[in-house]
Amino acid sequence: DVKVTQSSRYLVKRTGEKVFLECVQDMDHENMFWYRQDPGLGLRLIYFSYDVKMKEKGDIPEGYSVSREKKERFSLILESASTNQTSMYLCASPPPNRGRDTEAFFGQGTRLTVV
Amino acid sequence: AQTVTQSQPEMSVQEAETVTLSCTYDTSESDYYLFWYKQPPSRQMILVIRQEAYKQQNATENRFSVNFQKAAKSFSLKISDSQLGDAAMYFCAYRSPGAQKLVFGQGTRLTINP
Repeated sequence: DVKVTQSSRYLVKRTGEKVFLECVQDMDHENMFWYRQDPGLGLRLIYFSYDVKMKEKGDIPEGYSVSREKKERFSLILESASTNQTSMYLCASPPPNRGRDTEAFFGQGTRLTVV
Repeated sequence: AQTVTQSQPEMSVQEAETVTLSCTYDTSESDYYLFWYKQPPSRQMILVIRQEAYKQQNATENRFSVNFQKAAKSFSLKISDSQLGDAAMYFCAYRSPGAQKLVFGQGTRLTINP
């Protein structure tokens, strides 16, 4: 089974802290994504990566950065956490787009609270 | 840019009854993929069903089926014989061919009443 693991289910951080959210997949996938989930807004794409050291902005990248030093690990970084970044963060990793209807596999989510 | 809209923030249904969740989308592409994901309280996203736009036949997976209306850009999910384990957030999602990122709707919270 594809496994996408997020390092924390719950995090509480203080305003201004630098926060790292880690995601690891064990299936040698090139593609990895970070989404943010908020009530009434669904899931919105923050950043994604198609390969090691490659990254692209999604729809809401402001206030975030990412790191992909190894293929299996994709980190989301909040440089200076703010209360409006309190949210659920989901990591996803679909297999390579060689098939026509590949599905994405998700981690369990990290619920981040910034106080 | 593609958009996905779920106009029902919450739905409820009696156990064993049938419920339909609505989803509309906007795209100028002719080929694409549509998905319904389920997110139970465990927060693990689970793929429920998928539909390829070039297939006219509606997808079915056991008690779950879709009504795909390409011209109307509508993709509703029907759950038959609702069970308590169906209670969850349901997300409709769109993906372009050649792209890996999913565009999600706002979600519908489904409650099953015993």
